[in-house]
Amino acid sequence: QLQLQESGPGLVKPSETLSLTCTVSGASISSSGYYWGWIRQPPGKGLEWIGSIYYSGSTYYNPSLKSRVTISVDTSKNQFSLTLSSVTATETAVYYCARRGGYCVGNGCYFDYWGQGTLVTVSS
Amino acid sequence: DIQMTQSPSTLSASVGDRVTITCRASQSINTWLAWYQQKPGKAPKLLIYRASSLESGVPSRFSGSGSGTEFTLTISSLQPDDFATYYCQQYNSYSSFGQGTKVEI
Repeated sequence: QLQLQESGPGLVKPSETLSLTCTVSGASISSSGYYWGWIRQPPGKGLEWIGSIYYSGSTYYNPSLKSRVTISVDTSKNQFSLTLSSVTATETAVYYCARRGGYCVGNGCYFDYWGQGTLVTVSS
Repeated sequence: DIQMTQSPSTLSASVGDRVTITCRASQSINTWLAWYQQKPGKAPKLLIYRASSLESGVPSRFSGSGSGTEFTLTISSLQPDDFATYYCQQYNSYSSFGQGTKVEI
């Protein structure tokens, strides 16, 4: 059974860098043939795709966040990570990691397995 | 950017009702559309992908249709477990979500 688990600080100061890790269990990131991604949801609001990564390191980023986002992968630990620099209070959100689905082409896709999410608060 | 607009924002319904939610894209997305269900404090759950393909394990009372810019999610007979918020997502170009439709009693 595939499972994803987000981890990282729950509180980040404004202008600093947010860093989260997603640990995948039940499947190997490097042999699954899937992309893996990050999505966020501010409290009481809708969903925003942040970006996705393949085990090879190939990435797609939301153009509106691209200048501040880095997604990386560590196949030895079966993990992938998110860093978001220069955060503001409006980026307080639940951050989800997820697996991209298999029936897609190009830079976009749906997500079929999700982590439970982790709340990151941006506040001084 | 492709903007996704859902309607209505809130929908009041009863058990057994047929429920339809609409999602419109700001430009054609072919059939690159997914639907999710989200309950409070939980991650979204994939219901439909490629506009009309039912994800494994999802009850057959859920169905999706549409292509181009207009799409619908239909619940044929609303069950107590279906009261939740529903989101559409386009993945024709990168990815973006609708603002959500809350289905309430």
